[in-house]
Amino acid sequence: QVQLVQSGAEVKKPGASVMVSCKASGYTFTSCYLHWVRQAPGQGLEWMGIINPSGGSTTYAQRLQGRVTMTRDTSTSTVYMELSSLRSEDTAVYYCARQNALYDAFDIWGQGTMVTVSS
Amino acid sequence: DIVMTQSPDSLAVSLGERATINCKSRQSVLYSSNNKNYLAWYQQKSGQPPKLLIYWASTRESGVPDRFSGSGSGTDFTLTISSLQAEDVAVYYCQQYYSTPPAFGPGTKVEIK
Repeated sequence: QVQLVQSGAEVKKPGASVMVSCKASGYTFTSCYLHWVRQAPGQGLEWMGIINPSGGSTTYAQRLQGRVTMTRDTSTSTVYMELSSLRSEDTAVYYCARQNALYDAFDIWGQGTMVTVSS
Repeated sequence: DIVMTQSPDSLAVSLGERATINCKSRQSVLYSSNNKNYLAWYQQKSGQPPKLLIYWASTRESGVPDRFSGSGSGTDFTLTISSLQAEDVAVYYCQQYYSTPPAFGPGTKVEIK
C-alpha cells in the first residue's frame, strides 16, 4: 500500500541541527511532490516547504529560509528535512505529506516525528 | 500569501446532529482555467496525522463516509457533517493549495455535546 514512513523521535539542544527522513513506498517516488508540515504542541499546521523528488528542486517557507534544507535520494525513495540552529520554538511534530498528482491535495501523510529542543 | 480563517474555533454537537464548519480565504482559490476550487478539508484525531477528507472543495476522498460534505466557491467554504458520530471527534482544518505557500486554517475542534 502507499505509505510514508518517517524516522524516529529526536531530542536536540538549542543551536544543534536535526535531520528527519521520510521513506516512500507503494507508488512511483518521482511522480508526486512531497511537502513537510510541522505542528507545535497544541497548535495548528505550519507548512515548511516542498521538494520535487524528480529533479530535487525545492521551495521553502519564507520564515524558515536559511535554516531548512530538503533533499532526496531516489535510490531509496527517501526525502530528508534538515533544520539547523534549533530553538525551543522548533519543538513540534514534523510530518511529510504527499501531494496527489491529479488533484494536488495532500493525500498521504507520514506518521509524524517528534522533535524536542531542550537544554 | 493567502490567509485562511475558520469559524467557529470549537463546537459541541449532539450525536446524530449536524455540524457545520466555515472557512474563508483572503483571496479567491478558484482556478479559472478548470473551474476548480483548490480547497481541501482534513480531519486530525488526537495523536494522529491529518487525514484528507475533501478536495476541490466538494469532492470526497475515497473511503470517506458520505456524511461528510464540502461546499462553497471562491473565498467562502463549508464542511458539513450531516449526522455526527462519536468517531468524528477531531480537529478539522481547511487548506488552500491554489498558490505557494499552501496555507491551513487555524482549525475547528468538534466535540460531542
